[in-house]
Amino acid sequence: SYVLTQPPSVSVAPEKTARITCGGNNIGSKRVHWYQLKPGQAPVLLIYYDTDRPSGIPERFSGSNSGNTATLTISRVEAGDEADYYCQVWDSSSDHLYVFGTGTKVTVL
Amino acid sequence: EVQLVESGGGVVRPGGSLRLSCAASGFNFDDYGMSWVRQAPGKGLEWVSGINWNGGSTGYADSLKGRFIISRDNAKNSLYLQMNGLRAEDTALYYCATLGSSWHFNYWGQGTLVTVSS
Repeated sequence: SYVLTQPPSVSVAPEKTARITCGGNNIGSKRVHWYQLKPGQAPVLLIYYDTDRPSGIPERFSGSNSGNTATLTISRVEAGDEADYYCQVWDSSSDHLYVFGTGTKVTVL
Repeated sequence: EVQLVESGGGVVRPGGSLRLSCAASGFNFDDYGMSWVRQAPGKGLEWVSGINWNGGSTGYADSLKGRFIISRDNAKNSLYLQMNGLRAEDTALYYCATLGSSWHFNYWGQGTLVTVSS
């Protein structure tokens, strides 16, 4: 089964940059997607196919993917960015075809 | 505006059954594959099941095969999840989501809560 590992938590001051990593075996060969979850709200797709942003997602959110690590970068962090973030890939050999990372709680100081 | 509204959750005893529904609007429902994703209390996201645009192909997490059945009715713009033999570990918030071309989930509903408890 394919495993995606994220740090449980990241703390960042307003206006600074937050980086959330997603580690997986040769993840650079896969398409990585990122979601934002806030309590009581529908999850939101932030980044798909490593670096693409859906319409309506601010440019402050960006993604990269290489080797064994994918990264979601949030620039100029705002209070409203406080949320849980999950990476996701598709893996045909996994017992879950769509694999999610362990999730990262971002706290804005 | 894309809207996905889940319903059908509730409290059920172990071994019981529930049928979840997801009403879709604001897009051409039969252009999209669909999935169910769940989140147990205090846990992460877990893919449950998926179905292609016409219902001809389905997939399940290995641990759920044989207990859950996904289906859709394109005439009603609706997605369903029949859950049988429910266990305490199936307690979760169940989301429906559209499937994008890069095997991602474009749009999500707000979820419906399933609690399995005696």
